[in-house]
Amino acid sequence: DSGVTQTPKHLITATGQRVTLRCSPRSGDLSVYWYQQSLDQGLQFLIQYYNGEERAKGNILERFSAQQFPDLHSELNLSSLELGDSALYFCASSVVYTGTEAFFGQGTRLTVV
Amino acid sequence: GENVEQHPSTLSVQEGDSAVIKCTYSDSASNYFPWYKQELGKRPQLIIDIRSNVGEKKDQRIAVTLNKTAKHFSLHITETQPEDSAVYFCAASNNAGNMLTFGGGTRLMVKP
Repeated sequence: DSGVTQTPKHLITATGQRVTLRCSPRSGDLSVYWYQQSLDQGLQFLIQYYNGEERAKGNILERFSAQQFPDLHSELNLSSLELGDSALYFCASSVVYTGTEAFFGQGTRLTVV
Repeated sequence: GENVEQHPSTLSVQEGDSAVIKCTYSDSASNYFPWYKQELGKRPQLIIDIRSNVGEKKDQRIAVTLNKTAKHFSLHITETQPEDSAVYFCAASNNAGNMLTFGGGTRLMVKP
């Protein structure tokens, strides 16, 4: 157990819908990262937050947004979902914003039908 | 931004043989290089990491080497076992606040 909690574990939804993925980082970790992993693909960086502020942005679609709350948990919002958004979404956390081990949650498997 | 390339994309070895996975990075400011192992359907887990002030690091059957001049680093697994079968990702980041950038992954298959 990495100490990073993601909910839900599985999510099935229809095209055009909106979903919210939740991540609770390890106790004491200030940085949260979101990654997307499509079938047999690598880890695509989406966005990073550090202590409530956006720190870095990757290839995140405009239909996707995220935030980190004062209690440091983070939410990734995916809207106007398309079939191609089906993927495993990982959250990771680390103590600082870079240069230290990032611990991954178990992921949320999103299936868009 | 940082770009990390990883080779090979698949690697098949016989149990007991060694496996080597190589990565190159583009940002000379990168100074932290972790390796993650991801088993099917599970989360990536850190197996070893190295910082730029060190050229080599070893942990039992796993070792990582770093060549800063050439901007490449490698993962070496000796005496491979079937349980080493997984996807391995290299990554790079720096102290300037850039995110952890991952390579494309290597699917390692260890045949009994």
